[in-house]
Amino acid sequence: SQKIEQNSEALNIQEGKTATLTCNYTNYSPAYLQWYRQDPGRGPVFLLLIRENEKEKRKERLKVTFDTTLKQSLFHITASQPADSATYLCALPRDSWGKLQFGAGTQVVVTP
Amino acid sequence: GAVVSQHPSRVICKSGTSVKIECRSLDFQATTMFWYRQFPKQSLMLMATSNEGSKATYEQGVEKDKFLINHASLTLSTLTVTSAHPEDSSFYICSQDASGNTDTQYFGPGTRLTVL
Repeated sequence: SQKIEQNSEALNIQEGKTATLTCNYTNYSPAYLQWYRQDPGRGPVFLLLIRENEKEKRKERLKVTFDTTLKQSLFHITASQPADSATYLCALPRDSWGKLQFGAGTQVVVTP
Repeated sequence: GAVVSQHPSRVICKSGTSVKIECRSLDFQATTMFWYRQFPKQSLMLMATSNEGSKATYEQGVEKDKFLINHASLTLSTLTVTSAHPEDSSFYICSQDASGNTDTQYFGPGTRLTVL
C-alpha cells in the first residue's frame, strides 16, 4: 500500500536557523508532490508544488527538493521566524483527479 | 488563491443528532470538492469526492448513509453527519481544485465537531 512518512517528532529550532523537514514515500510514482502548512484548528494552506522532473523549487524563504530515486522530498525554511511555527504536511496525488494522500505532518517550533 | 469557507466552524451536539456542515467556494465555481477528516495528531484522511450534480464517491470504509454529501450547486457542497456518535468527533475539512487545475487545492478553515 502507498505510504507517506514524515518525522513525527517536533522540530525545535532557533530563530534565524534553517529548518529541514523530510517526507519519504513508498509504493508511489507521483507526478508531483505538495507541501502545506497547517496551523492549530485550521485547514491546510498550500505552499509549494514540485513536479517529478524538477529537482528543486523555491518560494521566498522556502525551498523544496524532490528525489524520485530516493522517493524523498526535503522542505527547507531558511532564516526561520517564530511566525513559521506550524505543522507542515506533505501530500501526494492518489489519482489525476485531485485526490490527495497526506503525511501526518511535522510540527516546527521556532523560538526567538 | 481560491477562497473556501466552511460553516459552522465549531459544533457541539448530542449523540444521535444530525449535523450539517457547509462548504462554499467564494470566488469561483467548483465542479469537484473533497471532504477530509482529521483526528488529533493524525493526517487528513479523504472521506469522499463531491461532484456537482451527481452522487458523491466515497473512500473505502466511509459509510455513505452516515455521511451524506450534497453538491447541488457549483459553489456549495454540504456534508451531513447523520445520527452522530462520539467517535464521529473530529475536524472536518473541505477542499476544492483551483479552477479545474487538479494540481492545486484550496482548503476551507475546517469544522470542529464534538459529539457528546
